[in-house]
Amino acid sequence: GAGVSQSPSNKVTEKGKDVELRCDPISGHTALYWYRQRLGQGLEFLIYFQGNSAPDKSGLPSDRFSAERTGESVSTLTIQRTQQEDSAVYLCASSLGPYQPQHFGDGTRLSIL
Amino acid sequence: RKEVEQDPGPFNVPEGATVAFNCTYSNSASQSFFWYRQDCRKEPKLLMSVYSSGNEDGRFTAQLNRASQYISLLIRDSKLSDSATYLCVVSTGGGNKLTFGTGTQLKVEL
Repeated sequence: GAGVSQSPSNKVTEKGKDVELRCDPISGHTALYWYRQRLGQGLEFLIYFQGNSAPDKSGLPSDRFSAERTGESVSTLTIQRTQQEDSAVYLCASSLGPYQPQHFGDGTRLSIL
Repeated sequence: RKEVEQDPGPFNVPEGATVAFNCTYSNSASQSFFWYRQDCRKEPKLLMSVYSSGNEDGRFTAQLNRASQYISLLIRDSKLSDSATYLCVVSTGGGNKLTFGTGTQLKVEL
């Protein structure tokens, strides 16, 4: 069956531009998560959605980062006025619910010039 | 103190060896535990869940000690294809928030 799908796979943009990353979770998974992984480092939790609401936004690094989810399906992570420090792989995962294993997409590799 | 701590390695072992990874976590309220595997420049993939009674999946055995807040992964008869980074993962915050360790790198050599 289809796994978690993320787009684009790679994104190169200039500092100061806005970017939008997309995640299509596994069908039927009510929970959706965004993580960031910088080169050579561990995963950093950003935000999760239960249905369309985001009970925990504690991981968003600044107000330049926002995320939304509609129809209990697709989610978008938006980074405004990108900075070089935003360069990382952004990973999306979904799960059936709390305490369930999360399944990851291939990630979006974001490079800020 | 980090929420989830792992020895970063690398562990360099010969093919066929048995290798064990350990992990400690700080939040005693943690409910779910997992081992994920991450290959270089790839996304993490679930290896196995970890249960209080311990569980085995082929060559892989996971153990949980809640009293010591300690999780382990044992790999028997290691293969070249086992070379990867192994991530210890703990669920907190009502079950939705996963906290990842920074991973232990394994290199299996001929």
